Amino acid sequence: ETGVTQSPTHLIKTRGQQVTLRCSSQSGHNTVSWYQQALGQGPQFIFQYYREEENGRGNFPPRFSGLQFPNYSSELNVNALELDDSALYLCASSLVSSGSKTQYFGPGTRLLVL
Amino acid sequence: TQLLEQSPQFLSIQEGENLTVYCNSSSVFSSLQWYRQEPGEGPVLLVTVVTGGEVKKLKRLTFQFGDARKDSSLHITAAQPGDTGLYLCAVNAGGTSYGKLTFGQGTILTVHP
Repeated sequence: ETGVTQSPTHLIKTRGQQVTLRCSSQSGHNTVSWYQQALGQGPQFIFQYYREEENGRGNFPPRFSGLQFPNYSSELNVNALELDDSALYLCASSLVSSGSKTQYFGPGTRLLVL
Repeated sequence: TQLLEQSPQFLSIQEGENLTVYCNSSSVFSSLQWYRQEPGEGPVLLVTVVTGGEVKKLKRLTFQFGDARKDSSLHITAAQPGDTGLYLCAVNAGGTSYGKLTFGQGTILTVHP
């Protein structure tokens, strides 16, 4: 069973640029959630995708957007990058119909905005 | 204001010592989860507590859910260097839906050999 994978592992961008982060969910999982984790803080919920539709969003501006593909993998896009967007971006997958509420997190993508 | 307040924020102890981490809120929750996160990795679920007053044990880790389901604690007995990491409590912010977790700010634990 393959775990959650994310790419790239590290990324450096400059203010104003756009970035796309990718997540492959654990085999068989149909739900992906994205989180932003600032250094020394707990993760903050960005949004969740279920069956290719956004299924809930946290307190993040519209320049944070996402996609989920038919194979349940997902992308997080951030436009007009700001310095405060520097963080570890985590995705987590789960299976809605399993009755289990366990989410499995990937190792994250560390984004640095200069 | 944080929904979940964790304390302490930092804990640096020697191997063999005991410690307790707290997760407090003024809200009532149907369940609460504890995670551990190591550097370069995502959080890993340790336990889910669902019943007020519930106590769960995972080897040297003991988790308790408050009677009123507003708070929780994690106690580690005879800490080892392998216990080093960021400990996070979390609840589902989406009510009956899940996967939309709200985390506390975490407790960074360092256990020195």
